[in-house]
Amino acid sequence: GQQVMQIPQYQHVQEGEDFTTYCNSSTTLSNIQWYKQRPGGHPVFLIQLVKSGEVKKQKRLTFQFGEAKKNSSLHITATQTTDVGTYFCARNFGNEKLTFGTGTRLTIIP
Amino acid sequence: DGGITQSPKYLFRKEGQNVTLSCEQNLNHDAMYWYRQDPGQGLRLIYYSQIVNDFQKGDIAEGYSVSREKKESFPLTVTSAQKNPTAFYLCASSNTGGSNGYTFGSGTRLTVV
Repeated sequence: GQQVMQIPQYQHVQEGEDFTTYCNSSTTLSNIQWYKQRPGGHPVFLIQLVKSGEVKKQKRLTFQFGEAKKNSSLHITATQTTDVGTYFCARNFGNEKLTFGTGTRLTIIP
Repeated sequence: DGGITQSPKYLFRKEGQNVTLSCEQNLNHDAMYWYRQDPGQGLRLIYYSQIVNDFQKGDIAEGYSVSREKKESFPLTVTSAQKNPTAFYLCASSNTGGSNGYTFGSGTRLTVV
């Protein structure tokens, strides 16, 4: 299937530092979804972005969709230990089938 | 409470045996999905179903089979033909179009010895 690349694969930050993960596609995306998976847990839906240049916020989390709809980012301000986990982006092919990115694993150093 | 239930949480099987993983949802979602996750890896789609009595292969369907006889249920059988079945299996469901995201079950960790 058409891949969605995420970078970085791993990120270690001090508690209180910011964190950003990037999702890139070689083709235009109709929309992009973001999920969080806690260690040992299952993915939980965070948000869907649809419009070019869209920016959405959820408390300390900011999600962006690129102008060309080929990339997206998730930024966490002032990380907390509860932010630990793996963050996945996922692309929707319009038939509901999602293809997930490779994920960025975030660890927090207290 | 509405949700999606997978059972069992842990499953051990001997090599060469077929095993069926259960997935039940009471969210009234039309679409259901099975993903496989290997340690430190992303999610790979095995099978999906958008409506009762219909399902399609995902990216890694070989060695797996599914059925969708009821809207609420989408069991996955891991057959002996699956060469490397040890993994974390995640079931998910969504509304039509998936715009509200997928709801995942808590997963089944299958170990084949």
